[in-house]
Amino acid sequence: DTEVTQTPKHLVMGMTNKKSLKCEQHMGHRAMYWYKQKAKKPPELMFVYSYEKLSINESVPSRFSPECPNSSLLNLHLHALQPEDSALYLCASSERGTSAETQYFGPGTRLLVL
Amino acid sequence: AQSVTQPDIHITVSEGASLELRCNYSYGATPYLFWYVQSPGQGLQLLLKYFSGDTLVQGIKGFEAEFKRSQSSFNLRRPSVHWSDAAEYFCAAGCYNQGGKLIFGQGTELSVKP
Repeated sequence: DTEVTQTPKHLVMGMTNKKSLKCEQHMGHRAMYWYKQKAKKPPELMFVYSYEKLSINESVPSRFSPECPNSSLLNLHLHALQPEDSALYLCASSERGTSAETQYFGPGTRLLVL
Repeated sequence: AQSVTQPDIHITVSEGASLELRCNYSYGATPYLFWYVQSPGQGLQLLLKYFSGDTLVQGIKGFEAEFKRSQSSFNLRRPSVHWSDAAEYFCAAGCYNQGGKLIFGQGTELSVKP
């Protein structure tokens, strides 16, 4: 099973809301990633967790808060977002978190901030 | 600075024709190189990757890519394009000490004419 699942598929939220995105994998991978992707653009790395520890934070605003409860789950907590945060949010996983590994991507959550 | 360049933003080919998507990289050393494909509304899927060794790499769905050190290129090829190949294609690169971080090119959108 090489599947990464993400919920919800779509999310609409106001600027004062708090919501969470969820990601799950059962491949035994120990690294998980959050990317943000705007239309017609490549994915932009936001966070990397390796062995449940945050290893990379690409200077993401604090209104995005990642959480890795265990090696299979990754959450992204959202609070006080701005309309420019509307995008496709992709989760990915890989074996250990090195740049030599294949990253397996989920289908994404399409977020609209009103 | 490290970078990945895909010179072609959009390419249209006829079904059955051959395809070559260009990718150039700028790194201090030879990076790990990847080609990913993204269908509309989907996550990214790995087509193939190059680390070392044979410079002609075979991937899934009949894709291949050739690494040319002298040209800092890693071009993707498909001998005969199918309508289902219409998608966005991303070239990406990473280095061993970057903890899973990849640098993506801007992407090439492929359209297929019947």
